Amino acid sequence: KNEVEQSPQNLTAQEGEFITINCSYSVGISALHWLQQHPGGGIVSLFMLSSGKKKHGRLIATINIQEKHSSLHITASHPRDSAVYICAVMGGSEKLVFGKGTKLTVNP
Amino acid sequence: DAGVTQSPTHLIKTRGQHVTLRCSPISGHKSVSWYQQVLGQGPQFIFQYYEKEERGRGNFPDRFSARQFPNYSSELNVNALLLGDSALYLCASRTTGGTDTQYFGPGTRLTVL
Repeated sequence: KNEVEQSPQNLTAQEGEFITINCSYSVGISALHWLQQHPGGGIVSLFMLSSGKKKHGRLIATINIQEKHSSLHITASHPRDSAVYICAVMGGSEKLVFGKGTKLTVNP
Repeated sequence: DAGVTQSPTHLIKTRGQHVTLRCSPISGHKSVSWYQQVLGQGPQFIFQYYEKEERGRGNFPDRFSARQFPNYSSELNVNALLLGDSALYLCASRTTGGTDTQYFGPGTRLTVL
C-alpha cells in the first residue's frame, strides 16, 4: 500500500462544476502539499498545509490531521484547470512522498 | 526573479552511457532536492542537499549521485544508464532544509534508448 493515496485517479467535469480531489496518507507528517502538473511536466506548488484550511482564488485545500486526510476543492471549474493534481506529504525525514496524482479534465 | 532552472530540457542517451543534469535554485535558496517521475507515476525522491551536504537519499542505486556547489546549484549524475532510467527528472529548491514550500523547476526529460 502506498503511503499516499489519491482518489479519484481520473476525473472529468463540465465547466463550472465543483471539483473535489481526495488524499489519504498513512504516516505522521509535518506538512502536506498540493501540486499542479501541466502537460510537459512543470510542477507548481498550490498549497502547503499543516492544519485547517487554505484558500487561494477558486482553490480551497483542507486537512484533517486526526483522520490523515486532505481534500483539494476547485470551485467554478474551468478548462484551464485541466492538469494532474498531486498530493505530497513531508514526514520527519524532510523528504516529500508523492501520490500518483489525479488527472482532471474540464470540458467546456 | 528567475525561478528554478534546469538544463538540458530534453536529453536522449543510449544504455550504458552517463548523464549529468543541472539545476539552479531560486536566489537565496540553499536546499535542492531531486525527484524522478516515471510516466504515469508520482515523483520519487532521489536526493536532498542543503548547504552543500547530502541531507537525504531515496531508494535509488549507487549509479545515481549528486552534489551541490558553493553557489547552491546542483548536479545529478547517473552512470550506466538503463532503459528504466527514462523519466522526467525534477529539481526543487527551498529556503532551508526544513518544511518550507518547495519550488519546482520545469524538469529534464531523459530518454534512454
